[in-house]
Formats: sequence, C-alpha cells, structure tokens
Amino acid sequence: DAGVIQSPRHEVTEMGQEVTLRCKPISGHDYLFWYRQTMMRGLELLIYFNNNVPIDDSGMPEDRFSAKMPNASFSTLKIQPSEPRDSAVYFCASSFGGYGNTIYFGEGSWLTVV
Amino acid sequence: KQEVTQIPAALSVPEGENLVLNCSFTDSAIYNLQWFRQDPGKGLTSLLLIQSSQREQTSGRLNASLDKSSGRSTLYIAASQPGDSATYLCAVSFGTGANNLFFGTGTRLTVIP
Repeated sequence: DAGVIQSPRHEVTEMGQEVTLRCKPISGHDYLFWYRQTMMRGLELLIYFNNNVPIDDSGMPEDRFSAKMPNASFSTLKIQPSEPRDSAVYFCASSFGGYGNTIYFGEGSWLTVV
Repeated sequence: KQEVTQIPAALSVPEGENLVLNCSFTDSAIYNLQWFRQDPGKGLTSLLLIQSSQREQTSGRLNASLDKSSGRSTLYIAASQPGDSATYLCAVSFGTGANNLFFGTGTRLTVIP
C-alpha cells in the first residue's frame, strides 16, 4: 500500500485566503485523524472520523477550521480565512480500529500563512 | 490534567552505544502507549505499541517497556547507528478505552559516526 497520502506537501498563502488540505487514508482503515504540529504546542489532535463520521472535533481551534470525509478514501481540512498563526504542519493519519492499533501518518502538509 | 513528558529534549551519543529514551505520564490509567519516530520533514512512523496489559515490546534493536504504576516508559535502542538519528515521540491513550493520543514533545537523538 502507498500509505497515507497528503496534498499539497507545501503551501504558502496570504492571510485571508482559503486553504484546503487533502488526505487519502490507507485502504481498509476505518479511522482518520487530523493533527497539527507546531514548535510551541507539539502535536495536537484536531478532529477524527470513524467510518466517515466525525466523532470528536473538540480540537478544532475555531470556526475557521472545518473538515469533511465524503467517503472512505478522501478527507479534507479547510481553513477559511487563514491567519499567520495557522502556520504549522498538518498531518493526516489513519488506522484500523482507532487508537487501539497502530496509527499510520502521512508526510504532512507544511502550511505557511504570510 | 493528562500529560506526557519526555526528557531530555535532545541527546547525542557515539555510534555503537546502547541508549535509553524516557517517557513519563501523569495518569496510570492508560489504554496503551506508542513510540514513534519522526525524521526531519517527514511524518511519524510507529515503532512499538504496548497495550496496557503488557510490560514490554521488542522489535529488532528496539525494546520498549511500560511501568504503569510509576507512570513511565522507556525505549531502549541497542547498538545505535547513525541511521537512528531522528526525533522519538511517546504517545499515550488514557482511560479504559482507546481515545485521544497525548503526545510528548519528543527527544531528538543524534548518533555520531
């Protein structure tokens, strides 16, 4: 399997613009997670899905952030409007059975908002 | 508050040395604990997963132990190699069910040839 695939790998955008990050989980996995990594706060869970249904979005920082999973092979994380403090690495991860089993991470989307 | 701490933040060792990375957590009621490796500019790779009922897990030169009563886990790397240079993160799922993973801030390991 190709692993968790994220796009874009790098994005530089201006403040106020909409940003959409994309993720393709490993085929057969029923859990999908979105994490954000910064130097100051480390890795933080933003939201996770089980069988395409959002289960816990308490980590989503504010209404500017939204995530969808229209089917088992695709998810998006959208930031609108973007702000400089959103600059971070955004990771998508997937697993079969949730946190009870191994979590597989994508290589991340490096976002810079100027 | 449930927290995961890793000390030291950085560690340098000469090639061939055995080394131990430490992870501590604030709540002994855990579901499982995972050790990850992160290379610069890359995602996280799972190394070992220890369930709450287990004391240790081994994979090749890696051995992870779990002591819930003291709130500690260690990752032992035998005969270190320059290719082991990376950041190692510990992550804990607290409670009686698998829920959110709380990550430590990691230990950046450099193995000097």
